[in-house]
Amino acid sequence: AQSVTQPDIHITVSEGASLELRCNYSYGATPYLFWYVQSPGQGLQLLLKYFSGDTLVQGIKGFEAEFKRSQSSFNLRKPSVHWSDAAEYFCAVGAAGNTDKLIFGTGTRLQVFP
Amino acid sequence: GAVVSQHPSRVICKSGTSVKIECRSLDFQATTMFWYRQFPKQSLMLMATSNEGSKATYEQGVEKDKFLINHASLTLSTLTVTSAHPEDSSFYICSARDQQGFLGAEAFFGQGTRLTVV
Repeated sequence: AQSVTQPDIHITVSEGASLELRCNYSYGATPYLFWYVQSPGQGLQLLLKYFSGDTLVQGIKGFEAEFKRSQSSFNLRKPSVHWSDAAEYFCAVGAAGNTDKLIFGTGTRLQVFP
Repeated sequence: GAVVSQHPSRVICKSGTSVKIECRSLDFQATTMFWYRQFPKQSLMLMATSNEGSKATYEQGVEKDKFLINHASLTLSTLTVTSAHPEDSSFYICSARDQQGFLGAEAFFGQGTRLTVV
């Protein structure tokens, strides 16, 4: 069965520091992979997605993620974090079927200190 | 991006009553809608998937008689929690997509509904 693991429940970084959020997936075929951000009072917003092709994916808000098949990973990165990036981040794998659906990880809460 | 509006954002109800949550796609036709439940500090658990005009497909372990989903139009889906009990208290999130598949489509999420059953 498909699954997603986000090993870090909570991460704290200083503003301006680099960030890497980890995501590992389990899927039998080539996965569709996603990163979403959830801010308080707002719906989940898609940061980026990987379907095929270049394994380094650029997203919105300066985020990028790299698909590494050998490690079953899809880690999210940002070179310099802003205070407004504080939020909950979810990695998800797409499960293909009659209706494609998303399987979410448990999320990583990012706290940014000034 | 497209907008999905979910109402109400918060609701408190008495145990034994039913509560209806609405999910609307404001600027696109939502062929497919999803309902999730999110427990504190946990992931979004998919409850059911609905395609417009069809019966919802429920995930294993989700009581279809308790969580009634209606997707009667291309812009509206409703989730009704029937005979709610305190253990149904949770954060419910809807998502909508204009296609059944991932390719060429993006799922947009509502703001969520915090349900508290007292």
